[in-house]
Amino acid sequence: GNSVTQMEGPVTLSEEAFLTINCTYTATGYPSLFWYVQYPGEGLQLLLKATKADDKGSNKGFEATYRKETTSFHLEKGSVQVSDSAVYFCALSEGGYQKVTFGTGTKLQVIP
Amino acid sequence: DAGVIQSPRHEVTEMGQEVTLRCKPISGHDYLFWYRQTMMRGLELLIYFNNNVPIDDSGMPEDRFSAKMPNASFSTLKIQPSEPRDSAVYFCASRSTDTQYFGPGTRLTVL
Repeated sequence: GNSVTQMEGPVTLSEEAFLTINCTYTATGYPSLFWYVQYPGEGLQLLLKATKADDKGSNKGFEATYRKETTSFHLEKGSVQVSDSAVYFCALSEGGYQKVTFGTGTKLQVIP
Repeated sequence: DAGVIQSPRHEVTEMGQEVTLRCKPISGHDYLFWYRQTMMRGLELLIYFNNNVPIDDSGMPEDRFSAKMPNASFSTLKIQPSEPRDSAVYFCASRSTDTQYFGPGTRLTVL
């Protein structure tokens, strides 16, 4: 079956540091890949997505590239801010299969 | 659009009581999902609907849980009787193409 593996958190960074959160996936076909973000006390929000190999999703300074050869979708940001502190979920949705498979989430804490 | 709307935002109840959580999906979305989130188990899919019809309820933990979607703009998740281990945040999400949009959640505490 499908699965998503994320790096364990929490990740603690100083403001303006470079961020990478690793995500790898297992799927039988050609999934769409997502990053969702959950701020404290809120629901998950779509941050970015990519629907085919070599696509790059980007939003709010975050980027992730769909790498089919390494089955990865790592999240990056060049300079994090305190306001980026949240839990980040990697996820996939495959073809006509309607469920989304979520990773376990990675908590990011950015300190001033 | 107002997004996915859930009510109540917080619910505190005593063990054995019936709890009903409500969700209004985004207009035009034909899929609706109910999730539960806890520290121990993370995000779990409970059930999802397509065009108001339940498609997969394999994630519903036990018979105490039930969900309905009487029309395209309303769904309920009911727990009867509630137990302390049901304490969690319950999310509703609706879907357009391949993207799910989540509501703010209902934080349920069962004493």
